Amino acid sequence: DIVMTQTPLSLSVTPGQPASISCKSSQSLLHSDGKTFLYWYLQKPGQSPQLLIYEVSNRFSGVPDRFSGSGSGTDFTLKIRRVEAEDVGVYFCMQTIQLPLTFGGGTKVEIK
Amino acid sequence: EVQLVESGGGLVQPGGSLRLSCAASGFTFSSYSMNWVRQAPGKGLEWVSYIRSSSSNIYYADSVKGRFTISRDNAKNSLYLQMNSLRAEDTAVYYCARDAGEWCVDVWGQGTTVIVSS
Repeated sequence: DIVMTQTPLSLSVTPGQPASISCKSSQSLLHSDGKTFLYWYLQKPGQSPQLLIYEVSNRFSGVPDRFSGSGSGTDFTLKIRRVEAEDVGVYFCMQTIQLPLTFGGGTKVEIK
Repeated sequence: EVQLVESGGGLVQPGGSLRLSCAASGFTFSSYSMNWVRQAPGKGLEWVSYIRSSSSNIYYADSVKGRFTISRDNAKNSLYLQMNSLRAEDTAVYYCARDAGEWCVDVWGQGTTVIVSS
């Protein structure tokens, strides 16, 4: 199974300040078709996960442009340009290049 | 509006069975593959099972293989998860989640809670 390792475990951010979350996979997520199957989700308190970023760097419909994803191969990063109060929750990365689909352990983002 | 609504969760004894349902609306259900994903209390997410739009391909996590069965009824816009021989470690919130294509899981239901305990 592909192991997804997220850091940090938690993040306390002042509103308006940037935040960055790292996700590393134990195998390359680059498919032979050129796509990289890495996704980012946010699970707000008491809610189900919502898709933020697909295929490393593409924002899902309705996701604010303060969210951005980058990376390649096995190293990926989610950045929030200026954190807002509504961004609190647990962020997960997920790989879908190989079954079983696997998730990072999550990064809890709190507001200072 | 795209919606997925799970039901069927509850308290069950170890070794027991439960059938989860997921009602889909707001999109052409028969065109989409679907997944079940679970989240144990205070833990991360674990993929459970996948079914292609036509039911032609089905996959399971090793942890549930032989005990869980995924199925769907496209005429009823519904996804199911039959869970047998339940164990304490199956206790979790179970989410159904849509696959938008090429393994992009884009929409999740609100989840249904399964508790396996004596």
